[in-house]
Amino acid sequence: NAGVTQTPKFQVLKTGQSMTLQCAQDMNHNSMYWYRQDPGMGLRLIYYSASEGTTDKGEVPNGYNVSRLNKREFSLRLESAAPSQTSVYFCASSSGWVFNQPQHFGDGTRLSIL
Amino acid sequence: AQSVTQPDIHITVSEGASLELRCNYSYGATPYLFWYVQSPGQGLQLLLKYFSGDTLVQGIKGFEAEFKRSQSSFNLRKPSVHWSDAAEYFCAVGARDKIIFGKGTRLHILP
Repeated sequence: NAGVTQTPKFQVLKTGQSMTLQCAQDMNHNSMYWYRQDPGMGLRLIYYSASEGTTDKGEVPNGYNVSRLNKREFSLRLESAAPSQTSVYFCASSSGWVFNQPQHFGDGTRLSIL
Repeated sequence: AQSVTQPDIHITVSEGASLELRCNYSYGATPYLFWYVQSPGQGLQLLLKYFSGDTLVQGIKGFEAEFKRSQSSFNLRKPSVHWSDAAEYFCAVGARDKIIFGKGTRLHILP
């Protein structure tokens, strides 16, 4: 049982390049999330999708876009990467009603912007 | 403003000793409370959750947590830690329109 799968696991970009992080879940969950994790900052929510066809901004959405492709897949796009976006990115999913349900996390994408 | 505070950035305990990790929150209504654990290079894994009812909740790996409304706390405990418990622990508060994670407590285990 794969759970939440993120690709790629590692990526190095140059400033100004674009990239899409992929996330897929096989638990038939309605809600999906993208976070970034920086040292000493905990997790900060970038965007979330409460259900297929909807997306909403989280705490730190600037510089990112998302697409809920279908119920399984939720992608995060950096249109013009900046060094401040160097981080570890986590995708998560949950059943039921958004933030009051436990979330299942992928293993992360480690992204470096030079 | 809503917030989650984990006062201890690092904690070191000896293997076999008891453990308590602190979590304090600020939220107007009864929150949904979670503890997650993160091992190096991995994502977060749910340890336990509190929604309502019994204020002492049991989780996986022998962990428990107690919700104290009067103290706005949700501390995580384990009677006897194992070397495999070395990891980073996150407290989180879920509400209708947001989730807030604490900044984490890194647990070190002495042999």
